[in-house]
Amino acid sequence: TQLLEQSPQFLSIQEGENLTVYCNSSSVFSSLQWYRQEPGEGPVLLVTVVTGGEVKKLKRLTFQFGDARKDSSLHITAAQPGDTGLYLCAGDSSYKLIFGSGTRLLVRP
Amino acid sequence: KAGVTQTPRYLIKTRGQQVTLSCSPISGHRSVSWYQQTPGQGLQFLFEYFSETQRNKGNFPGRFSGRQFSNSRSEMNVSTLELGDSALYLCASSTDRGAYGYTFGSGTRLTVV
Repeated sequence: TQLLEQSPQFLSIQEGENLTVYCNSSSVFSSLQWYRQEPGEGPVLLVTVVTGGEVKKLKRLTFQFGDARKDSSLHITAAQPGDTGLYLCAGDSSYKLIFGSGTRLLVRP
Repeated sequence: KAGVTQTPRYLIKTRGQQVTLSCSPISGHRSVSWYQQTPGQGLQFLFEYFSETQRNKGNFPGRFSGRQFSNSRSEMNVSTLELGDSALYLCASSTDRGAYGYTFGSGTRLTVV
């Protein structure tokens, strides 16, 4: 059974602080995808990483895919209240996504 | 372009009833997937369709079924509803394998009473 462990589960930080969310698995995925979800809405794709060792930047967000394509991290620099939400990592495998349990981020002004 | 459209947004059903949820993918997307989201289990894969063929199915009982039409629109059906079926049901579409990302709809919030 393929599983994705995401940590931490909850994070409450002050505006301007940095944070990192981790996503780990014992399985290899063809791609690792990061989503953000607001209450009552569906997840919105932030980024897809495909190649082992790949690093992608999206403004203040930096995503990294592990060399063995089993783990990934999301780093947010100088967090803002607008970053508040549920962050989900998901591994793509055989026409389906395996989701991590999510990291609920609260950025306090 | 229009996003993924799910109808209805909210639904209240009684135990034992059946329900049908609808999903219209982004134009040109031929792959449609369904997920169930609950506070306890998170997001779990139900099934995926491509060109009217089911390519993968999650670990859910046979009460959960789906289909895809020739215009790529999809429906999922849950028969003999149980209280534990209360959840947010999400539909996602992609161009083919989805390896480069999916677009999700806003979901259907199903409450079973």
